Amino acid sequence: GENVEQHPSTLSVQEGDSAVIKCTYSDSASNYFPWYKQELGKGSQLIIDIRSNVGEKKDQRIAVTLNKTAKHFSLHITETQPEDSAVYFCAAHFRRALTFGSGTRLQVQP
Amino acid sequence: NAGVTQTPKFRVLKTGQSMTLLCAQDMNHEYMYWYRQDPGMGLRLIHYSVGEGTTAKGEVPDGYNVSRLKKQNFLLGLESAAPSQTSVYFCAISGPGLAGPAANTGELFFGEGSRLTVL
Repeated sequence: GENVEQHPSTLSVQEGDSAVIKCTYSDSASNYFPWYKQELGKGSQLIIDIRSNVGEKKDQRIAVTLNKTAKHFSLHITETQPEDSAVYFCAAHFRRALTFGSGTRLQVQP
Repeated sequence: NAGVTQTPKFRVLKTGQSMTLLCAQDMNHEYMYWYRQDPGMGLRLIHYSVGEGTTAKGEVPDGYNVSRLKKQNFLLGLESAAPSQTSVYFCAISGPGLAGPAANTGELFFGEGSRLTVL
């Protein structure tokens, strides 16, 4: 099955700095890569996603890049704000399920 | 997380006890999922359903049973709870698409989670 590794497990940045979270996946047939944000005490919410026929996608301060050859994808958050503090999960879609990474706890220091 | 409601939100069980978690949705989505979230392991799929009356095993199904008797409800049961089932459980739903969660790559909407502790 698919295996998704996510790094780092924790990330602390100063407000206004950029944050980058990286994921690698094992199965080259995976074709959809969403990122979810989980705030304390809440369920996860989709923040951005990318499909395998696209190399980069941007939505305001958030961007995702995909390198199919290397089988890795990354989440980039620019101009971080305290409300960006949360746990972020990447996922890869293959066959009958989404496989999630282990999560990154992002802390934005004011 | 409007539209996906999980009950109960917290529960403490003794080993061997049984319980049922209820996931209710008002978004009329076909697909429903139960995940468990453990520290350092992300979200792992337990069971899922692609429509009323259907269920299928996910990545970690052992020790759990599910039922989808009504489209809007997806129940997760633990017949004989074990300490290894201490976790936070999340229900998720997604919209229509091709049959099966593999082909349905639409957005997942999550409930707020149910924290279960088994002593």
